[in-house]
Amino acid sequence: QKEVEQDPGPLSVPEGAIVSLNCTYSNSAFQYFMWYRQYSRKGPELLMYTYSSGNKEDGRFTAQVDKSSKYISLFIRDSQPSDSATYLCAMRGASNYQLIWGAGTKLIIKP
Amino acid sequence: GAGVSQSPSNKVTEKGKDVELRCDPISGHTALYWYRQSLGQGLEFLIYFQGNSAPDKSGLPSDRFSAERTGGSVSTLTIQRTQQEDSAVYLCASSGGLYTDTQYFGPGTRLTVL
Repeated sequence: QKEVEQDPGPLSVPEGAIVSLNCTYSNSAFQYFMWYRQYSRKGPELLMYTYSSGNKEDGRFTAQVDKSSKYISLFIRDSQPSDSATYLCAMRGASNYQLIWGAGTKLIIKP
Repeated sequence: GAGVSQSPSNKVTEKGKDVELRCDPISGHTALYWYRQSLGQGLEFLIYFQGNSAPDKSGLPSDRFSAERTGGSVSTLTIQRTQQEDSAVYLCASSGGLYTDTQYFGPGTRLTVL
């Protein structure tokens, strides 16, 4: 079993919909959680960063961490075709600099 | 400012040949990572350099893989005697320090081994 599980998709939704992307993990020591966005033939770029549990909002994006369930989510409101990309979750423990990555979910926003 | 650059962007080689992949990190970044990304897979950690410390080579899949970082800047990933299973996108990232989670990625080198 992988430490971080992420549905690879693809997830196809119409423009304007609310998108929910998720990852589950098994290591209770993880405390730092990230979402990276990767466009086709590009490197990933950091989108959201959260420490421990709770929510964080940035524009149309909301990151949510539920440590009790070992579950993290990324919500995208008013989705746009330009949001079409692969979204990767990544996380680590406090004393480990190495990030553990999900496989990425391919998101397609249909105009 | 300039981001992370990688060269070549694409590399096609024959099985058994050696290849070198180059990464130019962001100036001043002390940490440098190499990852491998296969189709439909997450990022597989290969090696990590931090300042003048000994690199963390724990992710290198075999002794055919090696990497160096000269002068704390440019890094080269070398794959000897390439195999078809080495075909993947090789990504380089740099960051400002040991526990800095914002990694800045280059566009990757797409390696195809025939």
